[in-house]
Amino acid sequence: IAGITQAPTSQILAAGRRMTLRCTQDMRHNAMYWYRQDLGLGLRLIHYSNTAGTTGKGEVPDGYSVSRANTDDFPLTLASAVPSQTSVYFCASSALPGSTGELFFGEGSRLTVL
Amino acid sequence: GQNIDQPTEMTATEGAIVQINCTYQTSGFNGLFWYQQHAGEAPTFLSYNVLDGLEEKGRFSSFLSRSKGYSYLLLKELQMKDSASYLCAYMDSNYQLIWGAGTKLIIKP
Repeated sequence: IAGITQAPTSQILAAGRRMTLRCTQDMRHNAMYWYRQDLGLGLRLIHYSNTAGTTGKGEVPDGYSVSRANTDDFPLTLASAVPSQTSVYFCASSALPGSTGELFFGEGSRLTVL
Repeated sequence: GQNIDQPTEMTATEGAIVQINCTYQTSGFNGLFWYQQHAGEAPTFLSYNVLDGLEEKGRFSSFLSRSKGYSYLLLKELQMKDSASYLCAYMDSNYQLIWGAGTKLIIKP
């Protein structure tokens, strides 16, 4: 059972380049989320999707975009990467939006922007 | 607001008990979560409290007091594998999770 798969696991990127982080889940969860995790800070929500075809902005959406063409996939795109986007990115899903159940996380994508 | 606080780091001894506190301030509240995160890995769900009181799950228990904006995670019979960061998060009125920075728990033999 894969759960949530993120790719790439790690990437070094030059500033100004475009980058897409991929996220796929096989649990048929309706809601999906992208977080970034930085040392000394809590997880911060970038974008979310309550169901296929809809997306919403989280706490720190600037510089990022997402799409949700189907239930399984939720890619995160950095149109023009900047050094402040160096972080560990986690994709997560839950059965229902705002679910009172648990979030399931991918293993993370470590991104370094130089 | 998005005020949530937990200690940065704690140290405990194998076999002992440790309590990790979390305080929060919010106008809308829909529950309190605890997650465990080993270094370099993804967070994994530990507990969810929406009503006041203690929820016990094996060696781990979680407590909530909504009137005090306070929760704690209690870990008993500590094992070396419990060395990890413990993340506290509350669900706000928009059903979004607001996360603390995490408490790094170091277990010594």
